[in-house]
Amino acid sequence: NAGVTQTPKFRILKIGQSMTLQCTQDMNHNYMYWYRQDPGMGLKLIYYSVGAGITDKGEVPNGYNVSRSTTEDFPLRLELAAPSQTSVYFCASQGLNTEAFFGQGTRLTVV
Amino acid sequence: LAKTTQPISMDSYEGQEVNITCSHNNIATNDYITWYQQFPSQGPRFIIQGYKTKVTNEVASLFIPADRKSSTLSLPRVSLSDTAVYYCLATPNAYSSASKIIFGSGTRLSIRP
Repeated sequence: NAGVTQTPKFRILKIGQSMTLQCTQDMNHNYMYWYRQDPGMGLKLIYYSVGAGITDKGEVPNGYNVSRSTTEDFPLRLELAAPSQTSVYFCASQGLNTEAFFGQGTRLTVV
Repeated sequence: LAKTTQPISMDSYEGQEVNITCSHNNIATNDYITWYQQFPSQGPRFIIQGYKTKVTNEVASLFIPADRKSSTLSLPRVSLSDTAVYYCLATPNAYSSASKIIFGSGTRLSIRP
């Protein structure tokens, strides 16, 4: 039972580079979320989606983009990486009658 | 979404009962109270959810008074493995998942031998 799978687990980027953080869930959940967590802090919502083709901004969307072409996948795109985007990124999904399930996270360092 | 306030940190000892209180003065009629647990280097994990009175599962109990302006997560007989950050969230009917999930700073619980 895979649940929510994030790739990669770790990544080091140089300033100005771009990358996509992948998130896939196999529970047929409509709702998906991207969070970032800085050291010692709580989770901040970046973007979320209530279903395929529908996305919306969270608390800290600047510098990120998302897409939701399928129910299973919700990739997060960083176009021009900055040191301020150094963080741990968590993806989550939630169904109509379930709690939220989280992935194991992607640890990103921008140097 | 209602703002929640909880202590930044708490300490306790193995075998003790731990109660973490969360304040949510502006909770809306449709809001539920949901608690998540997060271990270092892991994503949060659902613990318990309630609307009113008391809810109990195999992990914890949740007490919500009649005015619903606060709630208390109770962890019975804690062990070292309960050392984690605990988040209290007020979300509209969380099990129907109609809205975004916003986390606060959480309570860092440390259990000592």
